[in-house]
Amino acid sequence: AQSVTQPDIHITVSEGASLELRCNYSYGATPYLFWYVQSPGQGLQLLLKYFSGDTLVQGIKGFEAEFKRSQSSFNLRKPSVHWSDAAEYFCAVGVFNSGGGADGLTFGKGTHLIIQP
Amino acid sequence: AAGVIQSPRHLIKEKRETATLKCYPIPRHDTVYWYQQGPGQDPQFLISFYEKMQSDKGSIPDRFSAQQFSDYHSELNMSSLELGDSALYFCASSFRSQRVDTQYFGPGTRLTVL
Repeated sequence: AQSVTQPDIHITVSEGASLELRCNYSYGATPYLFWYVQSPGQGLQLLLKYFSGDTLVQGIKGFEAEFKRSQSSFNLRKPSVHWSDAAEYFCAVGVFNSGGGADGLTFGKGTHLIIQP
Repeated sequence: AAGVIQSPRHLIKEKRETATLKCYPIPRHDTVYWYQQGPGQDPQFLISFYEKMQSDKGSIPDRFSAQQFSDYHSELNMSSLELGDSALYFCASSFRSQRVDTQYFGPGTRLTVL
């Protein structure tokens, strides 16, 4: 079974500083990977996804993530954070089932991002 | 762009009561997923449906059941509610024929069991 580890429960970053959120996955084959963001009491918004091809993927709101197979990682980055980026960030892994579709996603425990003025 | 619609947004029930949550997927999406997110927790996959057939099953309690209808909307039925069922319930939808089956989440239904 697949699993996702987000090592950092909380991260505090100053506004304007760069950001990197870590995500490691465990799965026997190449998974497809997602980052979602959740504001308090809100739904999950898709930031970006990786399935194949270019290992550096661009997402919304200026976020990007890099898939590194050798490290089983899919870290999320942003060059300059804004106060509105404060939220909970979830990394998730999905796999294809025998029917060609996707099983339910497995999420990491999340990283709570705090932005300092 | 149209998003996933969930109703109701908030629901308060007593222990041992039943609850029904509804999910309307993005137009043309054929797959629906249900997740449960407890306070301060990550979302846990419950069950999914593709073309009205159960596709995948996660950690859904036997007290819960779900189905997908001909118009692709889905309902999650929860019986004999327990205090521990209090959570945010998300529905997500996807278009399975896409190369990358991306799940788009609704705003959630917050269920409180008293």
